[in-house]
Amino acid sequence: EPEVTQTPSHQVTQMGQEVILRCVPISNHLYFYWYRQILGQKVEFLVSFYNNEISEKSEIFDDQFSVERPDGSNFTLKIRSTKLEDSAMYFCASSDVPGWVLEETQYFGPGTRLLVL
Amino acid sequence: GDSVTQMEGPVTLSEEAFLTINCTYTATGYPSLFWYVQYPGEGLQLLLKATKADDKGSNKGFEATYRKETTSFHLEKGSVQVSDSAVYFCALTLNQGGKLIFGQGTELSVKP
Repeated sequence: EPEVTQTPSHQVTQMGQEVILRCVPISNHLYFYWYRQILGQKVEFLVSFYNNEISEKSEIFDDQFSVERPDGSNFTLKIRSTKLEDSAMYFCASSDVPGWVLEETQYFGPGTRLLVL
Repeated sequence: GDSVTQMEGPVTLSEEAFLTINCTYTATGYPSLFWYVQYPGEGLQLLLKATKADDKGSNKGFEATYRKETTSFHLEKGSVQVSDSAVYFCALTLNQGGKLIFGQGTELSVKP
């Protein structure tokens, strides 16, 4: 069964450093998402992406964050200058239909656990 | 704002016990409702969904009914197994941009 993959599974970085989290969505999917879960808190929406553009972003997704689809298979989340509070599990998701379609289902990757020291 | 509230965990049950995990929601529109499950070391997997009132989603013995009058989508299973041990997330989307809004997750531990 096709699945969403994410790399790395764990990343430790120093505050102020840039990190890039990578995702390979399911191959025929066109709609992509990032979510995060700070330890002990809810899974929170960060951003949705379609046709090389951000469709929607949350208040969390400030100028420190960016997303990119650099080629036909990868979808990346970059944090330019990490803060302690960016420590979280980051999930990528993809779907083959837009969010306004009732049948839309998002398929999630296993997550990247980011620890900022 | 739109939100989802789940019962606090962890929930610990014996094998073959009946499971209920409560989920209620607040939404400005007419949401679709989901249960996702996260097994240890894995990503979120869709367990079941319902897109309109009175719909029942079901999968792997789990069921949940979309109750508009009580704004609820409680997850039930008649007889849990050890392999059901996981974290369960209730979520909604307002079917606009696709953004999912999650509850805080409920950890289920099933003992033999």
